[in-house]
Amino acid sequence: DQQVKQNSPSLSVQEGRISILNCDYTNSMFDYFLWYKKYPAEGPTFLISISSIKDKNEDGRFTVFLNKSAKHLSLHIVPSQPGDSAVYFCAASDSGGGADGLTFGKGTHLIIQP
Amino acid sequence: EAGVAQSPRYKIIEKRQSVAFWCNPISGHATLYWYQQILGQGPKLLIQFQNNGVVDDSQLPKDRFSAERLKGVDSTLKIQPAKLEDSAVYLCASSRQRTTGELFFGEGSRLTVL
Repeated sequence: DQQVKQNSPSLSVQEGRISILNCDYTNSMFDYFLWYKKYPAEGPTFLISISSIKDKNEDGRFTVFLNKSAKHLSLHIVPSQPGDSAVYFCAASDSGGGADGLTFGKGTHLIIQP
Repeated sequence: EAGVAQSPRYKIIEKRQSVAFWCNPISGHATLYWYQQILGQGPKLLIQFQNNGVVDDSQLPKDRFSAERLKGVDSTLKIQPAKLEDSAVYLCASSRQRTTGELFFGEGSRLTVL
């Protein structure tokens, strides 16, 4: 039973436009959410996170929005750049902001087209 | 700061053989994680150590998988005997403390079981 779902296996966006990656979760105990980015043959790298007490967190071109009532979060990348082409994983935790027992989604492959 | 080191990067074995993976976390990181990532899936936690003690091994198939972190630094993950479904990338990650959600991943060890 998937507790963290990324329903779009891939997403193609033109360079300079906005990329929106979506993630849904089913476990209401999750209280901390993270996005990781992964290039081929490399390990995932942390991108941005959000606590359940917030509904938005911004870091440069990256913004994560959390809608707790809908159990939905999204990652916005503006403007999209070629280097953003990667697999993006949504992850969730129920350990009060910690990394214990992170549950990952299957990932969305973002392709930025020139 | 040196990243998480893993070896070997690639390993091909026959089913029923054994294999071991090694991980050296970032210096000073007390928490170490082993994740299994099967092709097309997100990483799944196998085991989590805090220093040299096990915090969570609930998803580790203990009949064939074992892991240790002697002296609270390096860690070894062993599979014996391997099955076809163990083909995956084994990711090691570390974090400075469990209260932060940011994990630092190694490049992974890709296992192919024939």
